[in-house]
Amino acid sequence: DGGITQSPKYLFRKEGQNVTLSCEQNLNHDAMYWYRQDPGQGLRLIYYSQIVNDFQKGDIAEGYSVSREKKESFPLTVTSAQKNPTAFYLCASRDGPRSGNTIYFGEGSWLTVV
Amino acid sequence: AQSVSQHNHHVILSEAASLELGCNYSYGGTVNLFWYVQYPGQHLQLLLKYFSGDPLVKGIKGFEAEFIKSKFSFNLRKPSVQWSDTAEYFCAVRVLQDSNYQLIWGAGTKLIIKP
Repeated sequence: DGGITQSPKYLFRKEGQNVTLSCEQNLNHDAMYWYRQDPGQGLRLIYYSQIVNDFQKGDIAEGYSVSREKKESFPLTVTSAQKNPTAFYLCASRDGPRSGNTIYFGEGSWLTVV
Repeated sequence: AQSVSQHNHHVILSEAASLELGCNYSYGGTVNLFWYVQYPGQHLQLLLKYFSGDPLVKGIKGFEAEFIKSKFSFNLRKPSVQWSDTAEYFCAVRVLQDSNYQLIWGAGTKLIIKP
């Protein structure tokens, strides 16, 4: 089945450690996104990538890094510089204009700093 | 700065009640509008979208939304809700910003339907 796969679903991290969240899609979408979801707030954009080997900072990129070496993969690294990393992270990809530019989401990853 | 406001963070209704969730945005240019839904334990999925044409848009599961340009609104409606509509609903607006399309999200509305 086509879709977006995020892993792990639940992750615990010690303070001071970096952690990488995986996002893989087999939808052949060029554009991919990482959002952070906190209670009482809308989805906030961390990073996005319109095409392979290119990515742009979103609204809250500080403390995060990404790479886009393959079309299918857009991993997010939460670094020790991120001051409040405990959150729910959503990866998404977008289809093209002929299909309405709809965004599809993965199931999300819960990150907890202990 | 552009923003999207969802007026109610929590809504509680009984089954068969009518639903209207508010969504207002601040942007003077051309917009594309979306409602997404997240059922408990599931991922976000598209409920409906508006790009152009008839401002009354019908989506899945009996939902509809009306784009009122003069009011900068895109309210979500359903005439008779069911217990299975319990979920969190997000309004999103796509705008053209710095030569790129950006998607701006509302804070979400948690809807609880009492059986």
